[in-house]
Formats: sequence, C-alpha cells, structure tokens
Amino acid sequence: QSVLTQPPSVSGAPGQRVTISCTGSSSNIGAGYDVHWYQQLPVTAPKLLIYGNSNRPSGVPDRFSGSKSGTSASLAITGLQAEDEADYYCQSYDSSLSGSVFGGGTKLTVL
Amino acid sequence: QVQLQESGPGLVKPSQTLSLTCTVSGGSLSSLSYYWNWIRQPAGKGLEWIGRIYTSGSTNYNPSLKSRVTISVDTSKNQFSLKLSSVTAADTAVYYCARRTRSGSWSYFFDYWGQGTLVTVSS
Repeated sequence: QSVLTQPPSVSGAPGQRVTISCTGSSSNIGAGYDVHWYQQLPVTAPKLLIYGNSNRPSGVPDRFSGSKSGTSASLAITGLQAEDEADYYCQSYDSSLSGSVFGGGTKLTVL
Repeated sequence: QVQLQESGPGLVKPSQTLSLTCTVSGGSLSSLSYYWNWIRQPAGKGLEWIGRIYTSGSTNYNPSLKSRVTISVDTSKNQFSLKLSSVTAADTAVYYCARRTRSGSWSYFFDYWGQGTLVTVSS
C-alpha cells in the first residue's frame, strides 16, 4: 500500500485532456513538500516529467503540466498522443519516514 | 551527461544477501549537492524507495527495510552499493539506482536513473 494515492488507471482518446490525481497527507504533500511526476514507458526506467509541482525539465512537452493544492496534486496531459501511453508516478518527501514516497502509479491508456 | 549503471547477480537464493553496485559516470559522487538512492519495483507493481547515501557516508533507509539494508559509497571508484540481507521471494524486483536532487528546502526529486537490473530470489 503506497503512501501517496493515485487512481490505478485513466484513459482518453487522442487529442483529449486527462488528469491524474495524487493524494497524500499532513506528513508529506500537506506538510509543504513538493510533488514530482515520473513517466515510465514499458520496460524502461522512470523518467522525470514534472518537478517542484509544476516545472518541466528540458525536453518535456508543454502538454504536460502539474499543480498542487493542500494535500493533493495533479498531473494534466493535454492533446493526448499514442506515445503518452505509459505508467505515471507521483513522488514526494515524507517527514515521518525521513524519506521519499511514491504513489502506486497510474496506467494511462490512449484509446 | 550523468549516467548510472547497476550491476550485480541476477539470481539470489532465499535467505542470502543481495548485493548490487551502481557506477556513476559524467558526475562525481563527491558532489555536495546530491544524494544517491536505491529504488525497487516488483513486476507489475509500483516504485518503492529503499534508501539513500550522501558523499559523507550518511545514510537513511526505508523503515520497512531498515533492519536488512546497508548502503555504502566508494568515492574513489565513483560507486555506491546496496546490500539486502535475508532475502525472500518478495524481494524479487527490478532495482534502480538514482540521483536525488534538492531544489530548496521542500523539494527532493530523482533526476537521473539507471536502467535497472532484475534480481530474482529463487532456489
């Protein structure tokens, strides 16, 4: 059972917009720690997609955006493309564990 | 460009110790800016943070694994290592090493990852 909670799956048609939620608690997201997002394509290592709640590393399309409010965060993907089909993970820091925590992951299916 | 590469046995017997090494290139483990981490992922499941080490040798471990985990660093070889003792089938997973970057006091994220190595626990 993951410390951060994500929906197991989301789906959308090409061109549509989808969002993935990430819910934490007062010892992680609610404590003020930033949320980061990773994209994991099949049989590959996770890749940093969003850092510091809403910042994109160089090379990440602006179709990907992130936000945070209270004890939750969201990843939004607009203009869905077939290549976006992947698993997405949120991550933060937990003060009670003194370590990093992940969500259980969300599988995005592009219909 | 920073690169990380895991290495070690792909098969470990139950009750034995899993040992992996991560070799870092394109960057120095002696840097004061980063922590070096191990993360694992059982097949079809999510990511689990195992622990981290700083260039000084200071460590922090996931409480759920703390009693069985040791992470060490060899700055002369630009490597850090993971040892997980008394393994069972539940420890079968892809093991990743990753660099953790800090951005301010409230932001810690993994910006570089190794490709991962599958370790199977089986007799």
